[in-house]
Amino acid sequence: GESVGLHLPTLSVQEGDNSIINCAYSNSASDYFIWYKQESGKGPQFIIDIRSNMDKRQGQRVTVLLNKTVKHLSLQIAATQPGDSAVYFCAEVLSGTYKYIFGTGTRLKVLA
Amino acid sequence: DTEVTQTPKHLVMGMTNKKSLKCEQHMGHRAMYWYKQKAKKPPELMFVYSYEKLSINESVPSRFSPECPNSSLLNLHLHALQPEDSALYLCASSPRRAVESNTEAFFGQGTRLTVV
Repeated sequence: GESVGLHLPTLSVQEGDNSIINCAYSNSASDYFIWYKQESGKGPQFIIDIRSNMDKRQGQRVTVLLNKTVKHLSLQIAATQPGDSAVYFCAEVLSGTYKYIFGTGTRLKVLA
Repeated sequence: DTEVTQTPKHLVMGMTNKKSLKCEQHMGHRAMYWYKQKAKKPPELMFVYSYEKLSINESVPSRFSPECPNSSLLNLHLHALQPEDSALYLCASSPRRAVESNTEAFFGQGTRLTVV
């Protein structure tokens, strides 16, 4: 289940289950969105991206959904594995700028 | 080579010290970034360089001074820092204006800075 701590929401899922991580972005002018995975002590690592003219994009085991009406992104991870345990951030890129602005983040814990 | 390399990995400095963080990429990217990340928080944008010129300064205190000597290198000079400046400092690069190319920013592993 999902819990919201003081700073970082945590999602705990059983190994093999599907995970859904949500993100609310802030600016309706953003036109490019990225999901990053950050493991402890490392920099953010690209997972998947989506442009504002799309509402769904699939990768290997991952799918990103974009709902511009409510400014919402989600990341779906199929058959979650222990190696998926990390903090996941969405990032929005403001149209006409170089700014990659990160959302709050969600910690994913995969239970054996 | 698809890496952004940051040195040092760890740095402990006193409040009166002067130190520099270094970042290097050889992907031909023309936009480079410094981010600051506190524990359990998202990365926060500090500076953006575009074609070796400072294009964005997110109201960062002057004790942080960025420098872009060439298209592959980015430095962050530190002077008279405070303990609350302790954080993970991340460097990133991207090919060009994100709105034109719609590509991700590539991040380094970061420098873990502790100010004592």
